[in-house]
Amino acid sequence: DTAVSQTPKYLVTQMGNDKSIKCEQNLGHDTMYWYKQDSKKFLKIMFSYNNKELIINETVPNRFSPKSPDKAHLNLHINSLELGDSAVYFCASSQRGNGNTIYFGEGSWLTVV
Amino acid sequence: AQSVTQLDSQVPVFEEAPVELRCNYSSSVSVYLFWYVQYPNQGLQLLLKYLSGSTLVKGINGFEAEFNKSQTSFHLRKPSVHISDTAEYFCAVSGNTGFQKLVFGTGTRLLVSP
Repeated sequence: DTAVSQTPKYLVTQMGNDKSIKCEQNLGHDTMYWYKQDSKKFLKIMFSYNNKELIINETVPNRFSPKSPDKAHLNLHINSLELGDSAVYFCASSQRGNGNTIYFGEGSWLTVV
Repeated sequence: AQSVTQLDSQVPVFEEAPVELRCNYSSSVSVYLFWYVQYPNQGLQLLLKYLSGSTLVKGINGFEAEFNKSQTSFHLRKPSVHISDTAEYFCAVSGNTGFQKLVFGTGTRLLVSP
């Protein structure tokens, strides 16, 4: 069983489109995250939710909107996609009190053309 | 706030040789430290972590790391590497209280050749 699963794994789309990436974790964790990895492999946190509440919101364009329907799911919706949004997006989860140990999904490769 | 420096962007090594990947961190509070590995076109896998206690931490695949508070370092080592260890290695740090971001270094590409 995959602990943190995200779909789709690959996504190619045109500029201006709106797309969503879904994430689910079956680890029973109370905190979920979205990280972005750019073309130089640099990883940066975008958002974090704890029990469905937003707790970390980095400087991310308003076109990016996370949604957490329950603590096992954290989806990422992106409006009006731009070329610079091309990246790998990683979903992750952790359990508060477990040493901040974060477990990552396999990543979603987004290419905007 | 925390930050991580991985000085080596790429480390080439021959198979069965030892390797050390360097990581230095900066923080005004006590920290947790992590090493993750990313194989080509895959996600991040936790190699090992330091939370407290013994400063020598052993992880998966024969890797180990040593926390050195005075030098603010957490270098990763393996006594004998395999071709299959070729991957990107990321050091990461977070504060150890409350909700803390995991801050990553820029990564070190380990290239193992026969």
